[in-house]
Amino acid sequence: EDKVVQSPLSLVVHEGDTVTLNCSYEVTNFRSLLWYKQEKKAPTFLFMLTSSGIEKKSGRLSSILDKKELFSILNITATQTGDSAIYLCAVRAHWGAQKLVFGQGTRLTINP
Amino acid sequence: SQTIHQWPATLVQPVGSPLSLECTVEGTSNPNLYWYRQAAGRGLQLLFYSVGIGQISSEVPQNLSASRPQDRQFILSSKKLLLSDSGFYLCAWSIERTDTQYFGPGTRLTVL
Repeated sequence: EDKVVQSPLSLVVHEGDTVTLNCSYEVTNFRSLLWYKQEKKAPTFLFMLTSSGIEKKSGRLSSILDKKELFSILNITATQTGDSAIYLCAVRAHWGAQKLVFGQGTRLTINP
Repeated sequence: SQTIHQWPATLVQPVGSPLSLECTVEGTSNPNLYWYRQAAGRGLQLLFYSVGIGQISSEVPQNLSASRPQDRQFILSSKKLLLSDSGFYLCAWSIERTDTQYFGPGTRLTVL
């Protein structure tokens, strides 16, 4: 059975800190890994990763994938209170329709 | 640009009552459509997905059903709600042959 595990489940840091969120996966026929940010309601798309070692970057957020060790990390530098959210990792396998398997999420809280 | 709508935003229903949640997408044709449920503090669980009108695949056996009467309309239903049906229901869409899914604002369902 395909599985995605995120760690830590919860993280509290001070504004300005740098954080690293982890996502490991066990998926048959891996195709892509996606990161989402969920504040109050709908998850919003951050990154999609398909190749190992190529960093995706958007402002203070960056992410990288390691297909050999089956994990991805999401880094946030110089955190702000607006970064407080649940960060979700999802993986798509090659089989079937475009189904995503989600991890349980990391709840990140940034204190001023 | 594409937009996804869900209603109602919030719903409180008694146990044993029926349910109908609606999702519509604008600005795209023949999208893949998805229903997810998110329990408090948990990741997203895929309930149903559809690749076309009348085509529904169920991921988790339960007392919920889904229908797609029109290309851009996806409906989640139940004849008799259970307490365990409480949660945050999210509809999502994607374009064929792409991996990124885009989420609607969600419906928070409380069954009492």
